[in-house]
This record gives sequence, C-alpha cells and structure tokens, in this order.
Amino acid sequence: LAKTTQPISMDSYEGQEVNITCSHNNIATNDYITWYQQFPSQGPRFIIQGYKTKVTNEVASLFIPADRKSSTLSLPRVSLSDTAVYYCLVGVGGMDSSYKLIFGSGTRLLVRP
Amino acid sequence: DVKVTQSSRYLVKRTGEKVFLECVQDMDHENMFWYRQDPGLGLRLIYFSYDVKMKEKGDIPEGYSVSREKKERFSLILESASTNQTSMYLCASRLKTLPPYEQYFGPGTRLTVT
Repeated sequence: LAKTTQPISMDSYEGQEVNITCSHNNIATNDYITWYQQFPSQGPRFIIQGYKTKVTNEVASLFIPADRKSSTLSLPRVSLSDTAVYYCLVGVGGMDSSYKLIFGSGTRLLVRP
Repeated sequence: DVKVTQSSRYLVKRTGEKVFLECVQDMDHENMFWYRQDPGLGLRLIYFSYDVKMKEKGDIPEGYSVSREKKERFSLILESASTNQTSMYLCASRLKTLPPYEQYFGPGTRLTVT
C-alpha cells in the first residue's frame, strides 16, 4: 500500500496561491490520488481526486506528473477560511476486502491576513 | 447531500467500561470505516466494512471490535475501555463502485476514558 509524504506545515497570506506537494513513490497502477481538508472539530472533507495529468474543480486544482510519483494540490487565492489541515491519500477504489486508505499526518496550512 | 451521523459528539467513560460508538449513513453506501485521530498521528484506520456483515481489520484494531448488521449502521465497540483509547473517533462511508472514491465523514466523537 502506497505511503505518502507531505510537509508538516505551510504559511501563506490571503490572496496568494498555495501549492502543497505530496510524494508517493510506490504508487500502484490503479491508485487514485485524493486530497481532503479538515477543520478543527470536524471530519475531513473531500477536496479533489485525480489519476493523471490535471484535474480542476471549483475549489482547487490537482497536478499529477507522468510518473505519478508525486502530486501537487493548488489552492488559488487563499483566504483566512482556508486555514486547515490538508491530507494527501493514495489508494484504490472499487475493491472489496483488500481496500483501505492510509491517511498521513497532513499539512497544516496557516493563512495570514 | 450525504449525511453521516455519530451517536455522540462527546463521551466520558471509566476504565473497564464497555463502550459503543454508533455511526449511521443515509446514502446506501457499501463501505464504512472507523478511524481514530490523535495529535501528530493523523487519522489511523481501526476497522472497515465493505458490506453488510463484512469487516476487515485496519492498522490498529487491537482493543476494538465492530458490528455491521444493517447497511446504514456501523458500530465500534471498545470491549474494556482503557485510558490510551482516549481519542477522537471518526466514522466515514463511501460508495464502492463509482469514482470519485470519496469518503464522507461524520463530525466525530471525542471520547475520554478516565
């Protein structure tokens, strides 16, 4: 099962673009890459998921190079409300007994005024 | 909107008590999960269930058991609570077969064992 490595913390200012990179050297062929956001006293919330190249939704973009050994979550023009912990996960969907995901320690993003 | 609810937000129990944490989801999801979250350790998977009456151990199953008699409900049981089980417990559910393979989380139960 692929493990992930991401920075423990990052600081930014309002209005800046924030890029959080995650490495996953032993990602498997059928693994997806998923990012979650967590605020204090809440459960994690799905942000974005991708398999290769680039995925964009209304809140973020996910960049995945051809070798898929890393991925970058990009948050455009962050605001104070983006202060949270961000988790990168790799894992397989659609399987049964062998399926599970492992959450790492996450990246604590602090957005300053 | 998917809703995952957990029976309590806060719970205080004594060492040796049997503790039940209940989780209910309303979206007919096949997969359900129990995690615990501790500072500096992220989320760690305790057990998961890929369908009714099915269960698989996660990374830290010792001291816990689970029950899934109905599709919408997944229970975590601490047979004899200990102080090192003081933690935040998070339940999640997921639709098995279609991408995105997104887990929906409940609000969590903060358990204190004294």
